[in-house]
Amino acid sequence: GDSVTQMEGPVTLSEEAFLTINCTYTATGYPSLFWYVQYPGEGLQLLLKATKADDKGSNKGFEATYRKETTSFHLEKGSVQVSDSAVYFCALSARGGADGLTFGKGTHLIIQP
Amino acid sequence: DTAVSQTPKYLVTQMGNDKSIKCEQNLGHDTMYWYKQDSKKFLKIMFSYNNKELIINETVPNRFSPKSPDKAHLNLHINSLELGDSAVYFCASSPSLGENGETQYFGPGTRLLVL
Repeated sequence: GDSVTQMEGPVTLSEEAFLTINCTYTATGYPSLFWYVQYPGEGLQLLLKATKADDKGSNKGFEATYRKETTSFHLEKGSVQVSDSAVYFCALSARGGADGLTFGKGTHLIIQP
Repeated sequence: DTAVSQTPKYLVTQMGNDKSIKCEQNLGHDTMYWYKQDSKKFLKIMFSYNNKELIINETVPNRFSPKSPDKAHLNLHINSLELGDSAVYFCASSPSLGENGETQYFGPGTRLLVL
């Protein structure tokens, strides 16, 4: 079945550091790929998405590129802030809404001042 | 103003009880979902409803019964609660079933603790 693998944390960085959170996937067909973010005590918010190979999703300084050849969708940000501290989830949708989203296990990011 | 809302936000109850969680979306979406997030924050789909019809039912015990009175509401009823049901339950909605790339919008979650 479909699956998403992402680095588990916690990942601890200093403010203004460069961030990479790795995400790889296994799916049949051509999935859409998503990054969701969960701030403490809150629900999930879409951070960015890409629906086909070589698409780049971007939002709030975060970027991720859909790489079909390496089945990856790594999340990057050039300079992180304390307010970026949260849990980040990589997810895929392979057959529309019928199967819901398949999530990775989440990466807890901690940014220190 | 809230797009996807859930009640209650917190629920503490005894083993063996029956409880319900309510979800409402004001986005005009056709499809709604329930997800369970366990203590390690792993999220897994439980149910999906499209225009009030059940589409998927992952390997969820039949103690869990979703009900959709209309396409804006999807409630989750849980019978005979067990300790292992303690989790955060998220409701979500999306415009339709059809497209892979559609964004799902999540509610704030209901934190269920079974004692």
